[in-house]
Amino acid sequence: NAGVTQTPKFQVLKTGQSMTLQCAQDMNHEYMSWYRQDPGMGLRLIHYSVGAGITDQGEVPNGYNVSRSTTEDFPLRLLSAAPSQTSVYFCASSYSSLSRPNYGYTFGSGTRLTVV
Amino acid sequence: QKEVEQDPGPLSVPEGAIVSLNCTYSNSAFQYFMWYRQYSRKGPELLMYTYSSGNKEDGRFTAQVDKSSKYISLFIRDSQPSDSATYLCAMRRIQGAQKLVFGQGTRLTINP
Repeated sequence: NAGVTQTPKFQVLKTGQSMTLQCAQDMNHEYMSWYRQDPGMGLRLIHYSVGAGITDQGEVPNGYNVSRSTTEDFPLRLLSAAPSQTSVYFCASSYSSLSRPNYGYTFGSGTRLTVV
Repeated sequence: QKEVEQDPGPLSVPEGAIVSLNCTYSNSAFQYFMWYRQYSRKGPELLMYTYSSGNKEDGRFTAQVDKSSKYISLFIRDSQPSDSATYLCAMRRIQGAQKLVFGQGTRLTINP
């Protein structure tokens, strides 16, 4: 089925390790974004991209890097994992053109990350 | 102060009750308003969206936007146990990137 695919679903890292969370969508959406979800904090935007080759920071970008070499993929890299990055990470995508009647995001199923 | 405020609950009501979920916001530039439903250990899914002020109805769900008060609501009629989930409001400006600003989410339980 079409949608947003995130891998892995679960991950445990040691402090200082690096890793990449994968996100892929097959809906030809221009806009992609990464959120983290923590209890009591809601969804907070980490990084986003309005198209291939274009990325920008969100609300909580420190400790994370992104790149967008293709329309389909938007990986999130943790450079040196810290316990404060323990969270559930969601990737989301949408059309970005105002001419398209689609105002909502399609979310992936999430990656549960624990940093020990 | 957060741009979007939402009471996190939890909210517990009996089956068949009318549920009212609310969010307030501070940025008058917000024009698109959405409600997402998130089941446990799943990603959020779009439930309803509205543009500017007014009401929108979809089955048992009604979304209301009052821009003068910077207040949005989601009503669920004849609530069912399957409606038990976390409900997140979200909103964005009309121009610029598609960035959505989310409320904290309200955890709702419908008791049989």
